[in-house]
Amino acid sequence: DSGVTQTPKHLITATGQRVTLRCSPRSGDLSVYWYQQSLDQGLQFLIQYYNGEERAKGNILERFSAQQFPDLHSELNLSSLELGDSALYFCASSVEQGPSYEQYFGPGTRLTVT
Amino acid sequence: LAKTTQPISMDSYEGQEVNITCSHNNIATNDYITWYQQFPSQGPRFIIQGYKTKVTNEVASLFIPADRKSSTLSLPRVSLSDTAVYYCLVGGGNAGNMLTFGGGTRLMVKP
Repeated sequence: DSGVTQTPKHLITATGQRVTLRCSPRSGDLSVYWYQQSLDQGLQFLIQYYNGEERAKGNILERFSAQQFPDLHSELNLSSLELGDSALYFCASSVEQGPSYEQYFGPGTRLTVT
Repeated sequence: LAKTTQPISMDSYEGQEVNITCSHNNIATNDYITWYQQFPSQGPRFIIQGYKTKVTNEVASLFIPADRKSSTLSLPRVSLSDTAVYYCLVGGGNAGNMLTFGGGTRLMVKP
């Protein structure tokens, strides 16, 4: 158990809908990362937050957005969903924002868009 | 932007040493190299991280040549439980830097 929690574990929704994925980082960790893992694209970095502020942006679509709240939990919002958005979404946290700090991954949220 | 490539799969036998190489030709000056292990239906788990030369911990070694354009994860005396997918992750050296995963290497350890 990494100490990072993600809810829900599974999510099934229809095209065009909007969903919110939630992540609680390990106690004391200030940085949160979001990743997408799909069969054809592999693991893709989406976005990073540190203490409430956006720090780095990866291959995140304009239909997707995220935020980190004052209690440090984070949410990833996916809208106008398409079949290709079906994937595993992982959240990871680290104590600080730099690359030398180990990231701890949550168990993921499996999103299925039908 | 670091493009990161790894072999798709490797086979080994119990007790052997396994070396998995990751190529990252466009690595930036401040980027770090991190290796993760992933089992089915689980999140990746940290194995080892380095910036240059050699790093060793209780489960693996990481070799990084002087030009830092590649890195090699070395797993000594693998066991069946090491069967997993191994990913290298490069980036994060500066604020706003992308983090780029390799495509993953599926390691199969046979008895």
